[in-house]
Amino acid sequence: GAVVSQHPSRVICKSGTSVKIECRSLDFQATTMFWYRQFPKQSLMLMATSNEGSKATYEQGVEKDKFLINHASLTLSTLTVTSAHPEDSSFYICSARLAGGTGELFFGEGSRLTVL
Amino acid sequence: AQSVTQLGSHVSVSEGALVLLRCNYSSSVPPYLFWYVQYPNQGLQLLLKYTTGATLVKGINGFEAEFKKSETSFHLTKPSAHMSDAAEYFCAVSDRGGNKLVFGAGTILRVKS
Repeated sequence: GAVVSQHPSRVICKSGTSVKIECRSLDFQATTMFWYRQFPKQSLMLMATSNEGSKATYEQGVEKDKFLINHASLTLSTLTVTSAHPEDSSFYICSARLAGGTGELFFGEGSRLTVL
Repeated sequence: AQSVTQLGSHVSVSEGALVLLRCNYSSSVPPYLFWYVQYPNQGLQLLLKYTTGATLVKGINGFEAEFKKSETSFHLTKPSAHMSDAAEYFCAVSDRGGNKLVFGAGTILRVKS
């Protein structure tokens, strides 16, 4: 099956620093990738839709200047949390849609961000 | 707009017993429906999906789900629970363009020995 890999799986940073999370589709090309955020004991909330070569589409309430998304190639999307604060601590999960598929998404392993 | 309601945030069953996780959806267009499983600190793994055709869908690990349009339901079942089934399960819906996946709140399944 299609594999999506995220890196890093865990990151701890100081408040005010920026953190970059990578999402790669390893064995397929993904024109569209999605970034989700999951708070403890809660469901996944879609943050933004990332399309290769164009600007990401952010969901209502998500700060685009805080969460920078870049989808520079068909196999890589990055999420940069800028000037991170403790309230940004969360589990971030990316997913990629198989082109021509039936809406099925393949998910990365997730990245747990802890901001001290 | 689409939405998903999962009834029961926690379900506990004995090993070998029937697993039933409930999911109801709301969609103004014919939906695609999915069940995903998440183990602690991991991403989501697709269990099964309904797109078109047969309404009883079989997935991995012995799970199956039935799409019932009249009841707007897509409940997940497994005849006999195994300890390894303990995880969190998410029901999700998308439109047929697959443009967005909307998740339910999740159901944590506990399997007792």
